[in-house]
Amino acid sequence: AQRVTQPEKLLSVFKGAPVELKCNYSYSGSPELFWYVQYSRQRLQLLLRHISRESIKGFTADLNKGETSFHLKKPFAQEEDSAMYYCALSGRAAGNKLTFGGGTRVLVKP
Amino acid sequence: GAVVSQHPSWVICKSGTSVKIECRSLDFQATTMFWYRQFPKQSLMLMATSNEGSKATYEQGVEKDKFLINHASLTLSTLTVTSAHPEDSSFYICSARGVSGRPGTGELFFGEGSRLTVL
Repeated sequence: AQRVTQPEKLLSVFKGAPVELKCNYSYSGSPELFWYVQYSRQRLQLLLRHISRESIKGFTADLNKGETSFHLKKPFAQEEDSAMYYCALSGRAAGNKLTFGGGTRVLVKP
Repeated sequence: GAVVSQHPSWVICKSGTSVKIECRSLDFQATTMFWYRQFPKQSLMLMATSNEGSKATYEQGVEKDKFLINHASLTLSTLTVTSAHPEDSSFYICSARGVSGRPGTGELFFGEGSRLTVL
């Protein structure tokens, strides 16, 4: 069975400080990993996906198959980054269904 | 970008009644839609996968007779909570995946969610 674990429910950082959201997964196959973000009173939206290997809004995430991790990082957090972040996994072995982690709330203080 | 719209955004109903929630892909065709349920301060739990023109696939523990899903067209899926009870109160979210070669392929787009409160 596929599983996504986000160990931190809340991350509180000051503006300009680095932030890292941890995500670990278990999956028997080649997974596709995503980070979704939900800003206050808005719908869930895709932030980035591992196959794109791109940086969105200053965020990056590297898939580490050895450690089965897909941590999300940003070197200098901004107040507008305050939101709920969900790590998610999909794969053919599971019918391409998206499985979400528990979510991490990020609060960036001024 | 692709837009998924849910209606209603919130609904209050009496126990024992049925409630229908619509999920529409506004500017792309969606062969597959997914229905999630989210309890307060918890993550999204997949309830079922809705495929256009065929029966929905329900996740383990989800009652198919309780949560009726119909995906009659490439732009509309409906979730009907039958004989709703207070424990069905939750936030229901749909998402849609596009057809191959068109905007939205592979990426999931989410609706704004529908909050159901059963009195």
